[in-house]
Parts: sequence; C-alpha cells; structure tokens
Amino acid sequence: QKEVEQNSGPLSVPEGAIASLNCTYSDRGSQSFFWYRQYSGKSPELIMSIYSNGDKEDGRFTAQLNKASQYVSLLIRDSQPSDSATYLCAVIRTSYDKVIFGPGTSLSVIP
Amino acid sequence: DAGVTQSPTHLIKTRGQQVTLRCSPKSGHDTVSWYQQALGQGPQFIFQYYEEEERQRGNFPDRFSGHQFPNYSSELNVNALLLGDSALYLCASSPVDRGLKHEQYFGPGTRLTVT
Repeated sequence: QKEVEQNSGPLSVPEGAIASLNCTYSDRGSQSFFWYRQYSGKSPELIMSIYSNGDKEDGRFTAQLNKASQYVSLLIRDSQPSDSATYLCAVIRTSYDKVIFGPGTSLSVIP
Repeated sequence: DAGVTQSPTHLIKTRGQQVTLRCSPKSGHDTVSWYQQALGQGPQFIFQYYEEEERQRGNFPDRFSGHQFPNYSSELNVNALLLGDSALYLCASSPVDRGLKHEQYFGPGTRLTVT
C-alpha cells in the first residue's frame, strides 16, 4: 500500500461546478495535511493546510479531514478554467519527519 | 520579501558528470528540504537540512548529498549522473515554528536533463 494515494484523474468538471479531490493516507500517526496546486511546468503552490478533523474553508476552497478514515479531501466551489492544474496531497507526522506527497490528481475545468 | 529561490533554472549534463543545485530559503525559514519530481509524479523527498545538518533522508543513494550553510541556504549535489536523474528538482523551506504546522513553500525548481 502506498503511503499517500490519490485518484490520478484526469478529473473534468464544467465551469461553475464543484470539483472534489480525494486523498487517503496509510500512517495513522500523521498530524498535518496539505493541498498543493501545481500548474504544468511550475512548482507546487500551497493552497490549504488542515490539522484537525472537520472542515476548513478558505474562499472557494474547503479542505475536509477525517483521521479515523485516514481521508482528506479538497472541494473547489465555482470551479474556474484557471483552476485547471494538478493537485497534490501531502502528509506529515511531525515537523521532524519527511513530507510525503501523493501522485497528484489532474483537474481540468471545461469552459 | 523574496520567496524561495533556486539556481540554475535549467541544466543539461552528461551521464557520469556531477551537478550542484542551489537554494535560498524564504526569509525567516530555517529548514530546507529537497525533492525530485519526475514527469507525471508527485515530489519524492530526498533529504531535509536543519541547523546545517541532514535531519531526514528519503530513499535516495549516496550519490545524492547536500549541505546547509549558516545563512540557511542549501546545496544539492548529485554525483555520477544517470539518465534516470533527469527530473525537476525542488527546494522547499519551512518556518522556524516547531509546532504542528510544517507548511513548506517551494522554489521554482531546477530542471535537470541528463543526456
């Protein structure tokens, strides 16, 4: 079992719809969870971090964490073509451990 | 406030050669991590430096080595380059906060091509 898994996609949604991106992780000791956005040919950009169970909202983005199910998700409301990118889920146990990235999910927002 | 910077942007090397990549962390950050990202994959952790010492290491051979300087900048060295080392090399820095938060901020990366 891989440490962090994501649906590879591509995930296609129409403009204005909600995009739902999912991530599962294997280490129950994981404490910090991140979503990065990566445009083609660019480096990852941190868009959300979440540390406790529940939802965290920031603008059009909502991160959801369920530690019991070892599941973290990212919802993008009112999706825009500019949201088309690869979304990377990252997990860490403590600040003294390495960050583990998933393979990423490619999102395409169709105008 | 400058973000994380990396140099060079692009590099072309021949098999067997050695390469050095450089990274300057974001102001206020003391921890630097290096990642290798192959096309279509997520970043793979190489190692992390804190207080000029390698604190964590991923599953990379000893051909990959690094260094952190007193000003927190860092270098990644790769010896005896292989074709498979062709990738985007990313540097990420983290702030001093030693709590739960470990938000990493990435530099633009160095695209290494080995021929």
